[in-house]
Amino acid sequence: GAGVSQSPRYKVAKRGQDVALRCDPISGHVSLFWYQQALGQGPEFLTYFQNEAQLDKSGLPSDRFFAERPEGSVSTLKIQRTQQEDSAVYLCASSLRQRNTEAFFGQGTRLTVV
Amino acid sequence: SQELEQSPQSLIVQEGKNLTINCTSSKTLYGLYWYKQKYGEGLIFLMMLQKGGEEKSHEKITAKLDEKKQQSSLHITASQPSHAGIYLCGADKGGSTLGRLYFGRGTQLTVWP
Repeated sequence: GAGVSQSPRYKVAKRGQDVALRCDPISGHVSLFWYQQALGQGPEFLTYFQNEAQLDKSGLPSDRFFAERPEGSVSTLKIQRTQQEDSAVYLCASSLRQRNTEAFFGQGTRLTVV
Repeated sequence: SQELEQSPQSLIVQEGKNLTINCTSSKTLYGLYWYKQKYGEGLIFLMMLQKGGEEKSHEKITAKLDEKKQQSSLHITASQPSHAGIYLCGADKGGSTLGRLYFGRGTQLTVWP
């Protein structure tokens, strides 16, 4: 596709439920980032992939959060046993290289935990 | 935690007026990015600045990075309702976190006709 695609756009989960959020980056983009954006805040870094390698996961808030990009293309962010504080917009971004390049963002997935 | 300070938090201007949004870091940056976000949507890339003293323009939007690479300003000339949205600055600190962006809280811009 022409841009970064994320699905679903909206997700309502009951507390304790597991969720999986998908990101389709721009074809050929090496770098892929996940960010979490709480209401009224700027995005905060969660994790970074270079191709299939997860090089930085220091931003994942707990071991309930897990991300993968097994073939260096599509990525999935999984949240286990969701809590209310997980409610946020989850943004995916991809860039052609790691440095000096524009990161293209998807529309995000708005997760609401009830 | 927010690594960058943005000001003002919100801005309401009349169509046709000029405005400036500021972004300040306590540390020298490798790169500074400006994005625009409509509510509930993703971020739209505006500009990237890397060199001290650099200035870039696109249509009616100009962004500058100071010589010390610690402060950036975004200036909109003759604002229009289409400029409304949330403006976010993002900093690349380089080094071991190269490519990772640290964002400010954003500036909510409203332009009334």
